Amino acid sequence: GQQVMQIPQYQHVQEGEDFTTYCNSSTTLSNIQWYKQRPGGHPVFLIQLVKSGEVKKQKRLTFQFGEAKKNSSLHITATQTTDVGTYFCAAPRPGTGYSTLTFGKGTMLLVSP
Amino acid sequence: DAMVIQNPRYQVTQFGKPVTLSCSQTLNHNVMYWYQQKSSQAPKLLFHYYDKDFNNEADTPDNFQSRRPNTSFCFLDIRSPGLGDAAMYLCATSRGQGFEQYFGPGTRLTVT
Repeated sequence: GQQVMQIPQYQHVQEGEDFTTYCNSSTTLSNIQWYKQRPGGHPVFLIQLVKSGEVKKQKRLTFQFGEAKKNSSLHITATQTTDVGTYFCAAPRPGTGYSTLTFGKGTMLLVSP
Repeated sequence: DAMVIQNPRYQVTQFGKPVTLSCSQTLNHNVMYWYQQKSSQAPKLLFHYYDKDFNNEADTPDNFQSRRPNTSFCFLDIRSPGLGDAAMYLCATSRGQGFEQYFGPGTRLTVT
């Protein structure tokens, strides 16, 4: 079945440093979605990437989808304490008509002031 | 404006005592999902409804059941909770195939 690998599992940075999390699949993905979950909170949808090589920006966050649609990354420039949380990538599962998601295990980001 | 609402937010039940968690949505989405999330793990899909069609994950224990009486509401029934069922239970909705999911705030279940 479809698997989505996400690294690193955990990262601790100083405020102002950059952060990147990577997501990889052995199969071609129809799209890739990114979610953020704050400590004690619930996952919140950030963005969806659909096209090969797509790059999207949301303020300090840059999302990329690989040319082969098998990998993706989320880069945060100059982290702030408000960026703390776990970032999950997720891809629609073809076996369910793309109506469910395969989640990566997530990258937990800690930002020290 | 709350879009996916879960009640209660915290639930304590005794070992073996049935419990029901509820979810409602104001988004009129076709698909509703129930996830189990344990500490430092990704959400684990238990089942989902596409309209009235129920879809069970292969590894969801028989102890877990669900009902969707109408578009807006979905329930998770745990027939005989064990200590291992203590977790956050997340409800989510989606417009359908390939679309993003909207999560509720979750119900934290404690089993004593």
